[in-house]
Amino acid sequence: DIQMTQSPSSLSASVGDRVTITCRASQSFSRYLNWYQQKPGKAPKLLIYAASSLQSGVPSRFSGSGSGTDFTLTINSLQPEDFATYYCQQSYSTPYTFGQGTKLEIK
Amino acid sequence: QVQLVESGGGLVKPGGSLRLSCAASGYIFSDYYMSWIRQAPGKGLEWVSYISSSGSILYYADSVKGRFTISRDTAKNSLYLEMNSLRAEDTAVYYCARKGYNAEFDYWGQGTLVTVSS
Repeated sequence: DIQMTQSPSSLSASVGDRVTITCRASQSFSRYLNWYQQKPGKAPKLLIYAASSLQSGVPSRFSGSGSGTDFTLTINSLQPEDFATYYCQQSYSTPYTFGQGTKLEIK
Repeated sequence: QVQLVESGGGLVKPGGSLRLSCAASGYIFSDYYMSWIRQAPGKGLEWVSYISSSGSILYYADSVKGRFTISRDTAKNSLYLEMNSLRAEDTAVYYCARKGYNAEFDYWGQGTLVTVSS
C-alpha cells in the first residue's frame, strides 16, 4: 500500500496569509494526487486533481504542484472560509489512500 | 447538478448487517465508477470500495474484504454497500463518491452514520 504523509498536522494562520501544506508518498506515482477540503460536519470537497488541476468552481487562490513523491497545496491570501481540514489522496493504485489531514486554524 | 444522497445508516449490534444506499442524479450514472469512503468519528478518511461503471470490476480495502459487497443498479441510478459481520471499528460516516476521469473523487454525498455497538 502507498502511505501518504502530510505535514504539518496542524497549522495556525491569519486571514491574508499564504500557506503551504505538503504531502509525501511512500512510492513514486507521477501526478495521481488529489487534494480535498473538509469542514466540520460536511463531506470533503475536491479542490485539486492530478496534482495541479483546479476543480471547477474552486477559487484560483488554491493551487497544487509536485510529482513523484512530493506534492504541495498552496493557498494564497487566506480567506475566513478556508479554515478547514485538508487531505491529500493518491489515486494511482488501490487501496486508494489519504493523508492523515492538516487542520488549518485561525491564528 | 450532480447530487448523491446516502441512506440506510443506523445503530447495529456487532456481528450484524446493514445495507447502505446512494441515490445519484444530475449526470449519466452508468458513465462513472463509484466508490464508498468512510470516516470514523474524529478520524481521517478511509477508502472502502469501488465499482466500475459496468459493475464488472470491484475493489475493496483489506479491512472490509469478505464482509462488505458493493453493487449498483443502473435502472435505479443507485449504488449500494452491503455490510455483514459488522465490528465496532466499522463505526463511521460512510460517504458515496463519484470517481472522476482522473480517478479523483469529484462529487460526494452528505454521508450516513453507521454505529456498531451492543
